[in-house]
Amino acid sequence: GQSLEQPSEVTAVEGAIVQINCTYQTSGFYGLSWYQQHDGGAPTFLSYNALDGLEETGRFSSFLSRSDSYGYLLLQELQMKDSASYFCAVSSVGGATNKLIFGTGTLLAVQP
Amino acid sequence: GAGVSQSPSNKVTEKGKDVELRCDPISGHTALYWYRQSLGQGLEFLIYFQGNSAPDKSGLPSDRFSAERTGGSVSTLTIQRTQQEDSAVYLCASSPTGGAEAFFGQGTRLTVV
Repeated sequence: GQSLEQPSEVTAVEGAIVQINCTYQTSGFYGLSWYQQHDGGAPTFLSYNALDGLEETGRFSSFLSRSDSYGYLLLQELQMKDSASYFCAVSSVGGATNKLIFGTGTLLAVQP
Repeated sequence: GAGVSQSPSNKVTEKGKDVELRCDPISGHTALYWYRQSLGQGLEFLIYFQGNSAPDKSGLPSDRFSAERTGGSVSTLTIQRTQQEDSAVYLCASSPTGGAEAFFGQGTRLTVV
């Protein structure tokens, strides 16, 4: 099966940088994704890493180390609107399936 | 429409009744997922459809839950003999090929009373 671990809550101030870590265990690992979900809203895709290294998309960056089964999401220049839950998700390939399994989420609170 | 559409947006049902939840994925997306999210919790995988392949039903919590996808497009999640613990938001997502980027609908909030 698959399992993912991320911190349940993180607090940071506006303008700061925050890192949300994710460790995973899965067979047939294909890649690691990150999603953002505002309270009452639908999850929205942020980034995806299939290979080791850092992917940058504006203020958000995501990192993957396949050998360590570890990744993180880095949010820079935090804004109040970044307050949301952040989920890592693994894509795993097994047989004919390539399903997407989510972690339990990290609630980020950005304070003024 | 441009996005994933789910209906109804809210459903209140009596314990023991059957419910059907509908998902219209983005046109052309071959992969379709159903997830369940309880208040303040993560996304629990339920079922995954990919093209014409047999669905991955490994996340369905009991035999009261079933899902089908007709013509590789619209999907229906059916919960029979609903229980109070079935109360949650049911989210549908579609993806062009499966894997990294999934597009979510707004969900159906199911309340079993």
